[in-house]
Amino acid sequence: EAAVTQSPRNKVAVTGGKVTLSCNQTNNHNNMYWYRQDTGHGLRLIHYSYGAGSTEKGDIPDGYKASRPSQENFSLILELATPSQTSVYFCASGDPGLGGYEQYFGPGTRLTVL
Amino acid sequence: GDSVTQTEGPVTVSESESLIINCTYSATSIAYPNLFWYVRYPGEGLQLLLKVITAGQKGSSRGFEATYNKETTSFHLQKASVQESDSAVYYCALLTGNTGKLIFGLGTTLQVQP
Repeated sequence: EAAVTQSPRNKVAVTGGKVTLSCNQTNNHNNMYWYRQDTGHGLRLIHYSYGAGSTEKGDIPDGYKASRPSQENFSLILELATPSQTSVYFCASGDPGLGGYEQYFGPGTRLTVL
Repeated sequence: GDSVTQTEGPVTVSESESLIINCTYSATSIAYPNLFWYVRYPGEGLQLLLKVITAGQKGSSRGFEATYNKETTSFHLQKASVQESDSAVYYCALLTGNTGKLIFGLGTTLQVQP
């Protein structure tokens, strides 16, 4: 069973509208991450969280907010969506361990802002 | 800062041919970063292909292998005989510090022709 799920899988939004992307994980990981992937940029970190109630800024946080209401759920919020935020968004969860640190990714959300 | 550079794609090879996707890294925030190869098959999210956390060690999975070379700061991905099902986008990544932040390369699209 998929351990990291995202919803919606596809979203079309209008400029200036509010968009919420949701992520749920059943790995019981403390850490969760939001990335965006664009051609020519690879994946870039937007926000991350160390646990419920915690959110931290990543490399490209401008225009995004994050919310971590519980261990399992981590949301990415675009209060005023812009066309430049059209992208594919990936959520991930992961914790450090003796065998190193790996992150488990969701299937991605394709967001188009018109 | 930390960065990852990998072979620009698309890379096209014929089935049963050998493959190498180059990856070099620069890690200024951590002396011995964990190194990863992730793969994204069409329509799916990122999956961990292999990881190596100790310099000089080799990781392998699904016929792919990569050796962590601290001297040349490289982590090239190799496979002796590719299959059509290996067609995907491959990402080299390194883990920085203790936050679990991953730095990704731009990704290399592999197309295997039958």
